[in-house]
Amino acid sequence: DTGVSQDPRHKITKRGQNVTFRCDPISEHNRLYWYRQTLGQGPEFLTYFQNEAQLEKSRLLSDRFSAERPKGSFSTLEIQRTEQGDSAMYLCASSLVQGETGNTIYFGEGSWLTVV
Amino acid sequence: GEDVEQSLFLSVREGDSSVINCTYTDSSSTYLYWYKQEPGAGLQLLTYIFSNMDMKQDQRLTVLLNKKDKHLSLRIADTQTGDSAIYFCAESHMDSNYQLIWGAGTKLIIKP
Repeated sequence: DTGVSQDPRHKITKRGQNVTFRCDPISEHNRLYWYRQTLGQGPEFLTYFQNEAQLEKSRLLSDRFSAERPKGSFSTLEIQRTEQGDSAMYLCASSLVQGETGNTIYFGEGSWLTVV
Repeated sequence: GEDVEQSLFLSVREGDSSVINCTYTDSSSTYLYWYKQEPGAGLQLLTYIFSNMDMKQDQRLTVLLNKKDKHLSLRIADTQTGDSAIYFCAESHMDSNYQLIWGAGTKLIIKP
């Protein structure tokens, strides 16, 4: 296992369609994060999981966005009824948090979404 | 509130040292990170420093932390063309479950 992998790397969709992105974290990592990044900006936090529990989802951009991590391993991020403003790169990251020890977060290569 | 600031651009000559600076406001920061992002790619963790450290060195990279001034810097020695990228500074702390607060990124431009 060499890192966080994301699929697909690129997605072009028509406005109004649903899209789903998948993330496979580093295998022993218990935390999984989703971020969004638009051109010229830093990453914007969306949500994160500790194992299968979604501990923070208030930053999801709207109720069209949802994420799951059903077995505490891979995760999916779904965007329903896509809008042009959803065009961005969606980044997944993972880390291993144990008690009060550190949190080094590793990112995948991202999934580019273009809504036309 | 929490804020991380970086200058947007830095231009250096190939072979010189690059120093990328970052300031942050949250004094409870636990970890401070530097990530590198090449065009169209994800974020590569370059290095990080725990808040009770002053300096960390890793090959060509040196991180300096001044907690009093809340200032973090990344020095890249002998800058190469492959170092051309956007460098993001980020902070996290235990109280916020280690969520990352990001700067806007510094674009490093290498002149031949």
